[in-house]
Amino acid sequence: DQQVKQNSPSLSVQEGRISILNCDYTNSMFDYFLWYKKYPAEGPTFLISISSIKDKNEDGRFTVFLNKSAKHLSLHIVPSQPGDSAVYFCAAVNDYKLSFGAGTTVTVRA
Amino acid sequence: EPEVTQTPSHQVTQMGQEVILRCVPISNHLYFYWYRQILGQKVEFLVSFYNNEISEKSEIFDDQFSVERPDGSNFTLKIRSTKLEDSAMYFCASRGISDLNEKLLFGSGTQLSVL
Repeated sequence: DQQVKQNSPSLSVQEGRISILNCDYTNSMFDYFLWYKKYPAEGPTFLISISSIKDKNEDGRFTVFLNKSAKHLSLHIVPSQPGDSAVYFCAAVNDYKLSFGAGTTVTVRA
Repeated sequence: EPEVTQTPSHQVTQMGQEVILRCVPISNHLYFYWYRQILGQKVEFLVSFYNNEISEKSEIFDDQFSVERPDGSNFTLKIRSTKLEDSAMYFCASRGISDLNEKLLFGSGTQLSVL
């Protein structure tokens, strides 16, 4: 199942700078997109979501952008903080079922 | 904040043995899910459960797998005869009927190791 792809397995960013995580999808039936954050030995925790009828959603330091024509979404974290170091999963929803990307490991350097 | 609770956190079993992974979803949630993540791979959907029946299942969820909500609070995943390839982190998740944004709340997972 390759419907949701995160092509960058890892990202290293300096504290205070912007982190940009990318996600591509193939299924045009997806109607909702979410980002989850996961620390080691913990379950994924919901971070932010966006409906397919919007192109941007912002929540504090986190902003998600959706480009439906390109079937692409991105998560911006600004400014990045050490506590943001985690694995970030992009997920897409169709018929109440989540499809996850493979995840991007973000490391925020002091 | 309410949490989804999973027990045990780690389970080691011999190939061919039955295992039961337990989950206590959020009390007022009505939709329940099991996902798994094999080491180094993506999180995969296994099954969704609503109104005491399976609403959807993936190809992974074959006859060796079953789910049950035996007492109105617990939600269990049973693997009848475990295989080596069942080794993974299993996540339970739930959501409420008003969570229109599909915001699933996940438990912290059960690490299953099949030897």
